[in-house]
Amino acid sequence: DTEVTQTPKHLVMGMTNKKSLKCEQHMGHRAMYWYKQKAKKPPELMFVYSYEKLSINESVPSRFSPECPNSSLLNLHLHALQPEDSALYLCASSQGRGPTFGTGNTIYFGEGSWLTVV
Amino acid sequence: GEDVEQSLFLSVREGDSSVINCTYTDSSSTYLYWYKQEPGAGLQLLTYIFSNMDMKQDQRLTVLLNKKDKHLSLRIADTQTGDSAIYFCAELSGGGATNKLIFGTGTLLAVQP
Repeated sequence: DTEVTQTPKHLVMGMTNKKSLKCEQHMGHRAMYWYKQKAKKPPELMFVYSYEKLSINESVPSRFSPECPNSSLLNLHLHALQPEDSALYLCASSQGRGPTFGTGNTIYFGEGSWLTVV
Repeated sequence: GEDVEQSLFLSVREGDSSVINCTYTDSSSTYLYWYKQEPGAGLQLLTYIFSNMDMKQDQRLTVLLNKKDKHLSLRIADTQTGDSAIYFCAELSGGGATNKLIFGTGTLLAVQP
């Protein structure tokens, strides 16, 4: 099972709303990621959690707030977003983050959550 | 910089081979990946290659790695209409706790019946 599950698949929110995107994996992976992807562009890394601690924040605005309640779950809390934040938000996970042989560094992605800010 | 370059578009006929090219930037990258993204969908891992290999074959897919030129390619044999998608190469860059995946610009593969 190499499944990363994201909910909701689609979300429309107003600029004053507070909402959350959720991500779950049951592969025993200890690193989880949020990426943002605009149309026809490559995914851009937002946050990395390693062993439930935030290890990379790619200078993402504070209106995006990640949370890792446990090793299987990763949330992205959204507040006061702008229309330009509309995008596909991808969650991913990997077994580890250091250099290892085999599939230790393979990063598996969820199907994404399509976010529209109106 | 961190730019991973790919050609934007490739059109092939069904049954032909497709070759998608990628030039990456970090010579110390340990792993290089190919992901497929169909319209409206997430990223599907197709295959990966470790940096001490120069070729990997997986059914219809062949990955070639030229470390000297920092060039990666993906060959799809007997291309089918279901292979139409955007293909992203990605390099695992940084090292240790700062490992992160840097994606290429993506190549749109269009397969004509």
